[in-house]
Amino acid sequence: QSVLTQPPSVSGAPGQRVTISCTGSSSSIGAGYDVHWYQQVPGTAPKLLIYVNTNRPSGVPDRFSGSKSGTSASLTITGLQAEDEADYYCQSYDSSLSGWVFGGGTKLTVL
Amino acid sequence: EVQLLESGGDLVQPGGSLRLSCAASGFTFSSYAMSWVRQAPGKGLEWVSSISGSGDRTYYAASVKGRFTISRDNSKNTLYVQMNSLRAEDTAVYYCASSSGYCSGNSCYGPNDYWGQGTLVTVSS
Repeated sequence: QSVLTQPPSVSGAPGQRVTISCTGSSSSIGAGYDVHWYQQVPGTAPKLLIYVNTNRPSGVPDRFSGSKSGTSASLTITGLQAEDEADYYCQSYDSSLSGWVFGGGTKLTVL
Repeated sequence: EVQLLESGGDLVQPGGSLRLSCAASGFTFSSYAMSWVRQAPGKGLEWVSSISGSGDRTYYAASVKGRFTISRDNSKNTLYVQMNSLRAEDTAVYYCASSSGYCSGNSCYGPNDYWGQGTLVTVSS
């Protein structure tokens, strides 16, 4: 069981918008630690998608956006495309564990 | 272009040892914290260990503390992890990752900007 909770799966049709939640606690996201998001196409390495809650690295389309509030964070993908089909992971720090923690991952299916 | 290339993964018996390496290129290696993150077959990501750019600060997940040792050779642009007393639950693809963040106190902070392609460690008799 992961310290950060994500829905196991989400889906949407091309062009639609989906949101993936990441719920932590008062010792992780709620304590003010930053949240980062990664995209992993099966069989490949993870790729940084959103850093420090809301920022996109160069090359990441602006269809991807992140937000954070209280003990949770969210990744929103608008204008879904077939190439967005992948697993998505959130990451933060947990002071009670003294280490980085990842969410369990969310599989995005583009219908 | 940033490149991270892991090597050293293998099949090893329970209780055995293995050293993984990660060769870095395309960036100023000594300026970046580095980490190992693993992924068991069909499972999610798990942080293993991190090291500061200079190598003077190291951090470990509770699951590997006392068994794994992270190190780096900035003259060779290479990251290592020495894994001892391996268990079946250590079976995973091990990724090295670079971070433009900083290390202070109990952790390194900042995203994993770049990842290697991973190397598979299988612990089985």
